[in-house]
Amino acid sequence: DQQVKQNSPSLSVQEGRISILNCDYTNSMFDYFLWYKKYPAEGPTFLISISSIKDKNEDGRFTVFLNKSAKHLSLHIVPSQPGDSAVYFCAASVAGANNLFFGTGTRLTVIP
Amino acid sequence: DAGVTQSPTHLIKTRGQQVTLRCSPKSGHDTVSWYQQALGQGPQFIFQYYEEEERQRGNFPDRFSGHQFPNYSSELNVNALLLGDSALYLCASSLREGINIQYFGAGTRLSVL
Repeated sequence: DQQVKQNSPSLSVQEGRISILNCDYTNSMFDYFLWYKKYPAEGPTFLISISSIKDKNEDGRFTVFLNKSAKHLSLHIVPSQPGDSAVYFCAASVAGANNLFFGTGTRLTVIP
Repeated sequence: DAGVTQSPTHLIKTRGQQVTLRCSPKSGHDTVSWYQQALGQGPQFIFQYYEEEERQRGNFPDRFSGHQFPNYSSELNVNALLLGDSALYLCASSLREGINIQYFGAGTRLSVL
């Protein structure tokens, strides 16, 4: 049973525009959420995270929004750059447990 | 500051064989987790080691076992390999205390023929 879902396998965006990647979860016990970026032949790289006590966290061009009532989070990248082209994974964890539950990923392509 | 390192990078085995994968955590980290990533899927949690003991385990059979050494490095062992064990195996390290941000290595690509 997939507890974290990324329903868009791929997304293409023009350079300079906004990229919005979405993630839904089913387990209401999740209280910490992370986004990872993965380039080919590399491991996932931590990008940004958010605690369930917040609804927004910003770091430079990256902003994560959390809607607990909808069990939905999104990652906004503004402005998008060609170097952002990668697979993005959403992950979640439960307090007191250290394993991460991952979505299946969204491949972002930023077109120059 | 070295990040998480894994060896080997690639491995080819045949069904029924046994394999050992190795991981060195990021400097200062005391906790190591192992994940399996099948093609087109997200990483799936196998187990986590802290203070040389398995602390948490995902939905994987006993064929998957591990070890953590006093220097915090870790090994993942898989016995009686099946074709379905072909995947990218990722090691992640973190600090036991504090927020759960895990840092990943580049992985070991295992192919079972």
